[in-house]
Amino acid sequence: DSGVTQTPKHLITATGQRVTLRCSPRSGDLSVYWYQQSLDQGLQFLIQYYNGEERAKGNILERFSAQQFPDLHSELNLSSLELGDSALYFCASSVRDGYEQYFGPGTRLTVT
Amino acid sequence: KNEVEQSPQNLTAQEGEFITINCSYSVGISALHWLQQHPGGGIVSLFMLSSGKKKHGRLIATINIQEKHSSLHITASHPRDSAVYICAAFAWGGADGLTFGKGTHLIIQP
Repeated sequence: DSGVTQTPKHLITATGQRVTLRCSPRSGDLSVYWYQQSLDQGLQFLIQYYNGEERAKGNILERFSAQQFPDLHSELNLSSLELGDSALYFCASSVRDGYEQYFGPGTRLTVT
Repeated sequence: KNEVEQSPQNLTAQEGEFITINCSYSVGISALHWLQQHPGGGIVSLFMLSSGKKKHGRLIATINIQEKHSSLHITASHPRDSAVYICAAFAWGGADGLTFGKGTHLIIQP
């Protein structure tokens, strides 16, 4: 158990819908990273937050957004969902930039 | 942009064999992660290293910063080591998330 929690574990929704994925980092970790793992693209970095502020952006679509709240949990919002958004979404946390990352169990999103 | 290459993509070995998985990256990094992903999908961080060598049980990870190369070794391999092993590079500054290799799918047969 990494100490990082993600909810829900599984999510099935239809195209065009909007979903919110939630991540609670390990106690004491200030950085939260979001990653997407799809069959064709592998693991890709989406976005990072550090202590409530956006720190870095990777391959995140404009339809996707995220935020980190004062209690340090983070949410990833995916809107206007397409079939190609079906993937495993992981969050990871670390104490700060450049430190070891600990991964949550992931949320499996299926868009039908 | 950092490119991370792993080899081999697939590896099948017999129980007890010594396993080596290689990882090369194209630009300078601050650290390299080795991750393990089991069929259920969960990702476990095995090592994070920026120089030299680290050992944990039967797992050994090495990195050569000058050659931009890292290896993950498994000694006395066991069927429970069967998983996908992924290397991931952390760029300088550490604020861009990880860049991942495509993974090595390892199967250890009894």
